Amino acid sequence: SQKIEQNSEALNIQEGKTATLTCNYTNYSPAYLQWYRQDPGRGPVFLLLIRENEKEKRKERLKVTFDTTLKQSLFHITASQPADSATYLCALVLGNTGTASKLTFGTGTRLQVTL
Amino acid sequence: NAGVTQTPKFRVLKTGQSMTLLCAQDMNHEYMYWYRQDPGMGLRLIHYSVGEGTTAKGEVPDGYNVSRLKKQNFLLGLESAAPSQTSVYFCASSSLAGSDEQYFGPGTRLTVT
Repeated sequence: SQKIEQNSEALNIQEGKTATLTCNYTNYSPAYLQWYRQDPGRGPVFLLLIRENEKEKRKERLKVTFDTTLKQSLFHITASQPADSATYLCALVLGNTGTASKLTFGTGTRLQVTL
Repeated sequence: NAGVTQTPKFRVLKTGQSMTLLCAQDMNHEYMYWYRQDPGMGLRLIHYSVGEGTTAKGEVPDGYNVSRLKKQNFLLGLESAAPSQTSVYFCASSSLAGSDEQYFGPGTRLTVT
């Protein structure tokens, strides 16, 4: 069966360090992968999208890698700040058939950045 | 722009009661989605719509109905609520197929007793 795995345990890191979150998937061949941020009591907010033919994507302090051989995406936040504390969700998009972009989400990893 | 709005924010229902959740977007997006989020399960797609007047089933459609009579609105209905439908419901919209980000509403917390 198809599965998306994110570390369910919270990731605790110190301010200024680089946080690395992992998204592994099985039995998928995603065309795209997206990362979202979700704060408590709020809806997810889009952060980055990476396509299957891209190895890496950057946006300010954020970096995403996508390894279709390992079936894994890594999400990095450099120089992390307490304001980065949130739950981060990865989501797979399976192909572009002209229909709506149906996303399959992982369960998310909670990041806690401490002073 | 308000983006994606949802009403109500909270609701408590008794088993067997019905209700409608309203989602509205002001971004002229073609695609709209309803998800539910449960602890340890992640977001799961209930129904979605690729345009005004169209709807389609997602991953967990049983017990729900939807309608998209106007492009900006997407309604989620529970005809006979069950405790298993206790969840947080999110509506989202997007402008393109396959690659565009989804914009989420703030969510509706529904409890069925």
